[in-house]
Amino acid sequence: AQSVTQPDIHITVSEGASLELRCNYSYGATPYLFWYVQSPGQGLQLLLKYFSGDTLVQGIKGFEAEFKRSQSSFNLRKPSVHWSDAAEYFCAVAAGGAQKLVFGQGTRLTINP
Amino acid sequence: IAGITQAPTSQILAAGRRMTLRCTQDMRHNAMYWYRQDLGLGLRLIHYSNTAGTTGKGEVPDGYSVSRANTDDFPLTLASAVPSQTSVYFCASKSGGAAGELFFGEGSRLTVL
Repeated sequence: AQSVTQPDIHITVSEGASLELRCNYSYGATPYLFWYVQSPGQGLQLLLKYFSGDTLVQGIKGFEAEFKRSQSSFNLRKPSVHWSDAAEYFCAVAAGGAQKLVFGQGTRLTINP
Repeated sequence: IAGITQAPTSQILAAGRRMTLRCTQDMRHNAMYWYRQDLGLGLRLIHYSNTAGTTGKGEVPDGYSVSRANTDDFPLTLASAVPSQTSVYFCASKSGGAAGELFFGEGSRLTVL
């Protein structure tokens, strides 16, 4: 069965600094991969997804992620974070043809002014 | 505004009581899901429905039941609530197939005493 690991429970970065959130997945074939963001007290919103083609995908709010099959990773990056990026970030995987998403444990991002 | 509506927003419930969390979507999505979110565990799938009239078990189905009488509604029932079911519950629906985006409600916070 597919699974997702987000090694970092909590990350703090300064406003304007670059950001990388790690995500490792376990699945035998090419997975469908997602990053979602959750602001406090809200539901989740899709940032970006990968299912085929270019391994570097662009998302909303200036985020991007790179699919690396050799490392089973799908890390999320942003060149310069803003205070409004403070939130919880979830990586998720869906097996091809499956309707169900499996989520990682989440990474809480704090931004220092 | 199209989306997913969950009710109630918050509820405190005595152990042993029956509770139904309501979820309605107006996007005509075939697939719907119930997740619970717990600190350090991310989102875990409780039950899902790929289309009206069908349901399936997720990762943590015990103690919960669902029904899908029509496309729009997907209620989650706790037959006899226990304290371990204290959580935030999110309903979601999906557009398209495995690569489709999940749309989330704003969550229902349930406390079982």
